[in-house]
Amino acid sequence: NAGVTQTPKFQVLKTGQSMTLQCAQDMNHEYMSWYRQDPGMGLRLIHYSVGAGITDQGEVPNGYNVSRSTTEDFPLRLLSAAPSQTSVYFCASSKRTPGDEQYFGPGTRLTVT
Amino acid sequence: QKEVEQDPGPLSVPEGAIVSLNCTYSNSAFQYFMWYRQYSRKGPELLMYTYSSGNKEDGRFTAQVDKSSKYISLFIRDSQPSDSATYLCAMLLLGGGSNYKLTFGKGTLLTVNP
Repeated sequence: NAGVTQTPKFQVLKTGQSMTLQCAQDMNHEYMSWYRQDPGMGLRLIHYSVGAGITDQGEVPNGYNVSRSTTEDFPLRLLSAAPSQTSVYFCASSKRTPGDEQYFGPGTRLTVT
Repeated sequence: QKEVEQDPGPLSVPEGAIVSLNCTYSNSAFQYFMWYRQYSRKGPELLMYTYSSGNKEDGRFTAQVDKSSKYISLFIRDSQPSDSATYLCAMLLLGGGSNYKLTFGKGTLLTVNP
């Protein structure tokens, strides 16, 4: 099993550009989440999904969209990038309940100039 | 008062030392307690998972939960340079259905010196 994979590993965007961060898992987990990690702020939940077709907002959802058309994939879209979205983004999946025993991907380092 | 507080360190110890990492929390409704280890430029990985007060041991790692004091600890015995990482505590409250609250501490940076 590859576990949770994320692409790209690194990305530089200009303010106002849009992009999609990809996340996939091959463990047949129902629950998937997106976090951002900033120095001194810890991990903060952006959006999460409890199954295909079902998503909900987390703590910091503004400026981000998600969709879940399949169990395996959970892409995160930045609609109009801002310097405040410079961060490391992690995707995670879990089997039993959202937030429970999560498996994290390797992260995407995003810089917005 | 912050919901979860974790001393950011950094903590530097010699190889073989016993390490104690701690978190306090204010929400007595938290039900599950986790420790994640995060190596530099990697994603967090689950290290320990507990749901009741008391100790849980896994090899050199012991997780301790004291719900009455709202305090959790992670002990590392015979610490190794490979234990050098950031350790994140996390606390989970399940509200029924898809409702949940998961709060991470900000992490403690540990360095074990050979």
